[in-house]
Amino acid sequence: AQKITQTQPGMFVQEKEAVTLDCTYDTSDPSYGLFWYKQPSSGEMIFLIYQGSYDQQNATEGRYSLNFQKARKSANLVISASQLGDSAMYFCAMRDRMDSSYKLIFGSGTRLLVRP
Amino acid sequence: SAVISQKPSRDICQRGTSLTIQCQVDSQVTMMFWYRQQPGQSLTLIATANQGSEATYESGFVIDKFPISRPNLTFSTLTVSNMSPEDSSIYLCSVDRHTNSYGYTFGSGTRLTVV
Repeated sequence: AQKITQTQPGMFVQEKEAVTLDCTYDTSDPSYGLFWYKQPSSGEMIFLIYQGSYDQQNATEGRYSLNFQKARKSANLVISASQLGDSAMYFCAMRDRMDSSYKLIFGSGTRLLVRP
Repeated sequence: SAVISQKPSRDICQRGTSLTIQCQVDSQVTMMFWYRQQPGQSLTLIATANQGSEATYESGFVIDKFPISRPNLTFSTLTVSNMSPEDSSIYLCSVDRHTNSYGYTFGSGTRLTVV
């Protein structure tokens, strides 16, 4: 069965430093997609970055990069130069084709707090 | 990316009543997804709604409790029926535009409190 695991319930980072949020996944389908979302206290879900299972390079979007290690089934999010506005919940999610509805399955999330 | 208008943004309801949540998408989409996020928890998929067919419910969710309508390719509703305090959650709708650059787009959420 598909599964997403985030082992860090909470993380602290000093402003302007980099932080890595861990995510591991499990699927038997060779074709899948991995997503990271940010959820501030307002509750909205903000898409950050996407990595496809066949992508040769790690995805990057501005200050966000994804450290994709396929053999280890990990897709860690790296946030560089942290800002106070980065304080939020972060969710890793996976979509694969095992289920014809292409549904998105979420990890339990990591709460990030950026210290000034 | 798709823009989704979700209403209401929040509500406080009496137990035993029902609330209908609406999601309007700015373009046609094949599938819409409804999620529940209980306090302090992650998102759990309730059901997948296809236009013109019955919604597909995930394990632990039933149509009598969470009836869904999908009358066309841009609109869907989720009803939370016979509410109890345990239904207090954020409910979100989502669509997959099949454009990986944008991922799945979510509505702004409905924050429901049942008293």
